Amino acid sequence: QKEVEQDPGPLSVPEGAIVSLNCTYSNSAFQYFMWYRQYSRKGPELLMYTYSSGNKEDGRFTAQVDKSSKYISLFIRDSQPSDSATYLCAMSEDNYGQNFVFGPGTRLSVLP
Amino acid sequence: NAGVTQTPKFRILKIGQSMTLQCAQDMNHNYMYWYRQDPGMGLKLIYYSVGAGITDKGEVPNGYNVSRSTTEDFPLRLELAAPSQTSVYFCASSYGGAGGGYTFGSGTRLTVV
Repeated sequence: QKEVEQDPGPLSVPEGAIVSLNCTYSNSAFQYFMWYRQYSRKGPELLMYTYSSGNKEDGRFTAQVDKSSKYISLFIRDSQPSDSATYLCAMSEDNYGQNFVFGPGTRLSVLP
Repeated sequence: NAGVTQTPKFRILKIGQSMTLQCAQDMNHNYMYWYRQDPGMGLKLIYYSVGAGITDKGEVPNGYNVSRSTTEDFPLRLELAAPSQTSVYFCASSYGGAGGGYTFGSGTRLTVV
């Protein structure tokens, strides 16, 4: 079993839809979680950073952590074609940058 | 503000050749990292550095070397290139731990033939 798993997609949705992107993990000690957006042939860029369980909202994006289920989600409201990208989750037991484990990413396509 | 700059953007190497991937950041970040990204796999850490003169191995260091003589620069050296090193390489930096997230460069796409 991989340490962090994501459905690779592609996930195709119409413009304006609510998108749910998910990661599951096996290490119950993970408590720091990040979501990155990666456009084609670009480097990842940080979208959300959360610690422990609960929700965090930033504009159209909401990050949700359920440590009891070892499951994290990123919701995108009112999705736009500009949201078309690959979304990577990353997580760690501590806050040291070298210890974060990345998921393989989910490719999202928002159709106009 | 340039952020993290990687050169070259693309390169084709023959088996057994060597090359250096350059990475520079202008944010005064003390932590720097090298990752490789292969299709269907998460980013894998090759090497990292917590400051000038200090480097350490990540998950997949074999076939690579690094140095960190200044805060700004963190070059990655490939010796005796092999087809298994065909990948996209990303350099990243962060201030302290990862509390503010990583800032990534735009990547170097390397093919070994």
